[in-house]
Amino acid sequence: EVVLTQSPGTLSLSPGERATLSCRASQSVSDSKLAWYQQKAGQAPRLLLSGASSRATGIPDRFSGSGSGIDFTLTISRLEPEDFAVYFCQQYGSSPPTFGGGTKVEIK
Amino acid sequence: EVQLLESGGGLVQPGGSLRLSCAASGFTFSDYSMSWVRQAPGKGLEWVSTISGAGTPYYADSVKGRFIISRDNSKDRMYLQMNSLRAEDTALFYCAKYEEAFWSGYDAFDLWGQGTPVTVSS
Repeated sequence: EVVLTQSPGTLSLSPGERATLSCRASQSVSDSKLAWYQQKAGQAPRLLLSGASSRATGIPDRFSGSGSGIDFTLTISRLEPEDFAVYFCQQYGSSPPTFGGGTKVEIK
Repeated sequence: EVQLLESGGGLVQPGGSLRLSCAASGFTFSDYSMSWVRQAPGKGLEWVSTISGAGTPYYADSVKGRFIISRDNSKDRMYLQMNSLRAEDTALFYCAKYEEAFWSGYDAFDLWGQGTPVTVSS
């Protein structure tokens, strides 16, 4: 199975700063079938991006995704107070679909 | 309103069984594959099982032979029959909808329920 490694484990930033989250796969992700989710405490995950870079409905344009092959990046251009949360990547290009371990974005 | 609502979780002894249910509303249920994804306390997400709109099931190796996924498109409901439960099955179980209709491969999940907790303990 494809193992996804997210880094860093925790990112400490201030509102207004730029956040860069990494997701590295153990093998190439087929057709860039990689998604990013945001999860706040006590809530279900919310889809941010699919196909590595396509924003889901209602997701603000400060969230962007890039990458292909084994390296993918989620960028939050300017952190808003509501963006402090845990972020997961998921690959769905091969069986079984797998998730990364998550990156926590916390207030510095 | 577009939503998913899980039910059926609870406390069960090792070796026991439990049946989870997911009620869907606000979209054409039969057009979408649906999945169960779980999250152990304080841990990450783990895909458990998927069922296509036509009823073809897929399972993670960790639950194959123990869990059975099913759906009733006339009732807009999906189910997960969990047998031979183990302590390591303890988790919050989410129902999740595929992003793309009529897709039989794997996909991103664009709608999630709030989850139903399952605790396996003696």
